[in-house]
Amino acid sequence: NAGVTQTPKFRVLKTGQSMTLLCAQDMNHEYMYWYRQDPGMGLRLIHYSVGEGTTAKGEVPDGYNVSRLKKQNFLLGLESAAPSQTSVYFCASSSQRGNYEQYFGPGTRLTVT
Amino acid sequence: AQSVSQHNHHVILSEAASLELGCNYSYGGTVNLFWYVQYPGQHLQLLLKYFSGDPLVKGIKGFEAEFIKSKFSFNLRKPSVQWSDTAEYFCAVTHGSSNTGKLIFGQGTTLQVKP
Repeated sequence: NAGVTQTPKFRVLKTGQSMTLLCAQDMNHEYMYWYRQDPGMGLRLIHYSVGEGTTAKGEVPDGYNVSRLKKQNFLLGLESAAPSQTSVYFCASSSQRGNYEQYFGPGTRLTVT
Repeated sequence: AQSVSQHNHHVILSEAASLELGCNYSYGGTVNLFWYVQYPGQHLQLLLKYFSGDPLVKGIKGFEAEFIKSKFSFNLRKPSVQWSDTAEYFCAVTHGSSNTGKLIFGQGTTLQVKP
């Protein structure tokens, strides 16, 4: 059981470039989430999904898009990266059966120059 | 809007000192409560959780937390900290009747334990 995995671990982008972060979970969880973590601000929810084919906005969705074409994968896209998107991105998954305890991936450190 | 407040942003303790980190939430209904820990350079890991039953819950590594419904609090405690407890600690809450599983996180408390 790998749990929650994220690809890539590190990335440096120039302003205006695009990229996709991949999150995969092998626990058959219905729910998946993307967070960003910035110093002194805790974790802020970007987007989330309650099932395959469904996504919803979180607290800070601007500048990001997501897709959940398969239950086990949740993709986070940056269409035109900005320096304000420099952050550490965490993916998590949970299930209703587990009372929504969230399991986190190892994170992706993104720097936008 | 619901919120979670962690009162201590940065705590510095010596080894063997006792620890208590405060967490208060604003939601009045049924809640599920969590404490997560993030060791330097690592991802978040679950320390302990409360869903129902005994309000005093025990987690990994000697941590415990007490749910006090009347105070909307879920404070984290450890009687004697170790240098290896140096980490960032996050309190999180979700509604007991949630159909999205969204967690609301506190801002985090950085704990530094001096050897």
